[in-house]
Amino acid sequence: NAGVTQTPKFQVLKTGQSMTLQCAQDMNHNSMYWYRQDPGMGLRLIYYSASEGTTDKGEVPNGYNVSRLNKREFSLRLESAAPSQTSVYFCASSERRQMSSYNEQFFGPGTRLTVL
Amino acid sequence: KNQVEQSPQSLIILEGKNCTLQCNYTVSPFSNLRWYKQDTGRGPVSLTIMTFSENTKSNGRYTATLDADTKQSSLHITASQLSDSASYICVVTMYNNNDMRFGAGTRLTVKP
Repeated sequence: NAGVTQTPKFQVLKTGQSMTLQCAQDMNHNSMYWYRQDPGMGLRLIYYSASEGTTDKGEVPNGYNVSRLNKREFSLRLESAAPSQTSVYFCASSERRQMSSYNEQFFGPGTRLTVL
Repeated sequence: KNQVEQSPQSLIILEGKNCTLQCNYTVSPFSNLRWYKQDTGRGPVSLTIMTFSENTKSNGRYTATLDADTKQSSLHITASQLSDSASYICVVTMYNNNDMRFGAGTRLTVKP
């Protein structure tokens, strides 16, 4: 099992360019998440998908869109990148949305994005 | 203001020594509190999880404590190893909407 995989690992964009970050999980999880991690701050939730066919905004959704392509895949799109979106992006998945002792989030290795 | 504050921001210790990392939170009510380990260039990995009614949870050389009255948690690492060098992140799950609030982490460096 690969767990949660993300592509690409690194990306440099110019302001205004668009790109899609890909995420896939092979644990048959229902819920998937996109976070960003900035220096000196905790991870912040951008969007999540509680189950296939649904998506919801998190704490910092502005400037992003998501697509739950199927149960395995959840992509994050930046339509017009801005320097403020320079960050490390993590995808995560869990069996279900409710965070209990028996349900934890598994994280991918991250994508380091720089917007010039 | 962040709802989950961690201290210290960074810490350097010698191999074999013990250390304690602190987490103060304002999230209320909460359902559980987790500690994650994040190696450089990797995603966070869960170490321990405690519900609001639990006081302590161990995972090998890692022991987490929780005082829900004072809204404080700590992670104690015993007999540190070089592989313990990482960031340690405290995460509190909000009871009403299952959102997780992440601390900024403590960067631990273990030197030989």
